[in-house]
Amino acid sequence: ETGVTQTPRHLVMGMTNKKSLKCEQHLGHNAMYWYKQSAKKPLELMFVYNFKEQTENNSVPSRFSPECPNSSHLFLHLHTLQPEDSALYLCASSRLNGGGAGDTQYFGPGTRLTVL
Amino acid sequence: GESVGLHLPTLSVQEGDNSIINCAYSNSASDYFIWYKQESGKGPQFIIDIRSNMDKRQGQRVTVLLNKTVKHLSLQIAATQPGDSAVYFCAENPTSGTYKYIFGTGTRLKVLA
Repeated sequence: ETGVTQTPRHLVMGMTNKKSLKCEQHLGHNAMYWYKQSAKKPLELMFVYNFKEQTENNSVPSRFSPECPNSSHLFLHLHTLQPEDSALYLCASSRLNGGGAGDTQYFGPGTRLTVL
Repeated sequence: GESVGLHLPTLSVQEGDNSIINCAYSNSASDYFIWYKQESGKGPQFIIDIRSNMDKRQGQRVTVLLNKTVKHLSLQIAATQPGDSAVYFCAENPTSGTYKYIFGTGTRLKVLA
């Protein structure tokens, strides 16, 4: 199993709820990522943090709010989501953002989110 | 636009046979490629990678072939086992030194007993 953990594994929420997804990596990596995986679609990069600093916001709606308190932890705060936001949310980490060839991203198991 | 695609969305293989999963990429400048395996209910798992200065790389029961002339990547799994059943997708790094990978949609491999 990978050194990236995510909680919760499943989440059902209403459109008016506020919830948070948590990710933790035990690999000593410096970069962490949030991806959205929808059925029959490629992975969509949402946010990137490198050394706790956000270096990418891939035009993600403000109802998704990331937080990275340190290089090992990453959160995704959710509020006022829409049903089309239902998807598998994956966290990943890598040794060094921008490390070039060989900077492999390792994924967590994901949080299956359902928005009612 | 740039894309990473797969020739077959579903591949069924008899247990014990070899599997070949294909991937086409469009950016000739891509210099690094990864194959991931994603089992049901799990996140993508790194299988094997290859850099553009190589055309073949072998791992344990897996081999990745890179044909830069036709921008084609393949994953070969020897002696396919039931545990190999999963979705496999490739990822390319079109801009060296960045984290921005382009991921394919995946091929589902079904191993028949």
